Amino acid sequence: GESVGLHLPTLSVQEGDNSIINCAYSNSASDYFIWYKQESGKGPQFIIDIRSNMDKRQGQRVTVLLNKTVKHLSLQIAATQPGDSAVYFCAERKGNQFYFGTGTSLTVIP
Amino acid sequence: EAGVAQSPRYKIIEKRQSVAFWCNPISGHATLYWYQQILGQGPKLLIQFQNNGVVDDSQLPKDRFSAERLKGVDSTLKIQPAKLEDSAVYLCASSLEFGGIEQFFGPGTRLTVL
Repeated sequence: GESVGLHLPTLSVQEGDNSIINCAYSNSASDYFIWYKQESGKGPQFIIDIRSNMDKRQGQRVTVLLNKTVKHLSLQIAATQPGDSAVYFCAERKGNQFYFGTGTSLTVIP
Repeated sequence: EAGVAQSPRYKIIEKRQSVAFWCNPISGHATLYWYQQILGQGPKLLIQFQNNGVVDDSQLPKDRFSAERLKGVDSTLKIQPAKLEDSAVYLCASSLEFGGIEQFFGPGTRLTVL
């Protein structure tokens, strides 16, 4: 299968700080990269996506950066809140297939 | 709007037994996906439906797994017979169109095979 991996399995940040979650991918043929948030006992929730021909995309409090040279994707969360505590997955679309990474568990310390 | 519904939420069976999961996608969503999420891992796509037709089942272990979406709305995923390694959360998702980037996931069914 494809390889979409995350650098760190866990991340702890202070409330109000910015969070950066990283992801490495191996497939250059993917046309979209997507971030999902999964809270305990729930299904993943779409956060933001970025097309492969873009470098940066911003949403509400989130920014996704794509570096195709080193095949690296990151999700930045501004002013992290307790409600941001969850597991974050990067995923990629290649053709009609979707591949998810292992996930990073983000814990926000009040 | 109502989200993706799944049932049951939890299921415990013994190996070699059969089990079925049900999914009702968001109204109007043409594409339905089934994922398997093993503890500590990301979801793995098993099968995709476009309306009532299978468009990709390349990752589905067809010797024991089957799925259908007969009327292009609800879907069922079946495992027969179950193995210990099938213990996982089975997630159903839907999207408005095929290949949709934004998928809407249900809460999943947690299967434990003893």
